Amino acid sequence: LAKTTQPISMDSYEGQEVNITCSHNNIATNDYITWYQQFPSQGPRFIIQGYKTKVTNEVASLFIPADRKSSTLSLPRVSLSDTAVYYCLVGDPPRNRLAFGKGNQVVVIP
Amino acid sequence: DVKVTQSSRYLVKRTGEKVFLECVQDMDHENMFWYRQDPGLGLRLIYFSYDVKMKEKGDIPEGYSVSREKKERFSLILESASTNQTSMYLCASSSLGLAGQGELFFGEGSRLTVL
Repeated sequence: LAKTTQPISMDSYEGQEVNITCSHNNIATNDYITWYQQFPSQGPRFIIQGYKTKVTNEVASLFIPADRKSSTLSLPRVSLSDTAVYYCLVGDPPRNRLAFGKGNQVVVIP
Repeated sequence: DVKVTQSSRYLVKRTGEKVFLECVQDMDHENMFWYRQDPGLGLRLIYFSYDVKMKEKGDIPEGYSVSREKKERFSLILESASTNQTSMYLCASSSLGLAGQGELFFGEGSRLTVL
């Protein structure tokens, strides 16, 4: 089981770029890395997914170094509504026993 | 839009009662998951299923069982509810590839209180 480790929490000011890291030292060759966002009283929702190098969508960017043992989610110019818990997840084939970690609580300050 | 529907948003049960939590998805996904979420512990995987009638234990299966008789429905069963099973329960579904690529879709959650 490829486990993940993230910082417990972090604060950021509104308008800043926020970078959230995740360690996954035991990632397997074929595993994908996926990030989710969760607001209180809601289920997590998909943000971005990648395998290597850099992926960007309309919400975030995901940076994955060559050794793939970590990844960084980058949120540009955060707003108060980005206050949430962010989880990273790695694939766990062959049966996709997808286990979340404790996540990273991001608080955006005015 | 993909929809994952959990049968009850809030339930209150007594210790020893049998509890059924139902989850239905409408996108013909092969994989379905049950998690519980507690403050400070993140989401913990209870059981998952990758096909009809197939199930596998997650990290915390003790005290729970599951049923997947139809592709769209995945039920979580607490045979004899206990107070330490008071929690938020989240169901998810996905058509994941073998390497975990793809997206998990979550329901709104079922908050269970066991008295």
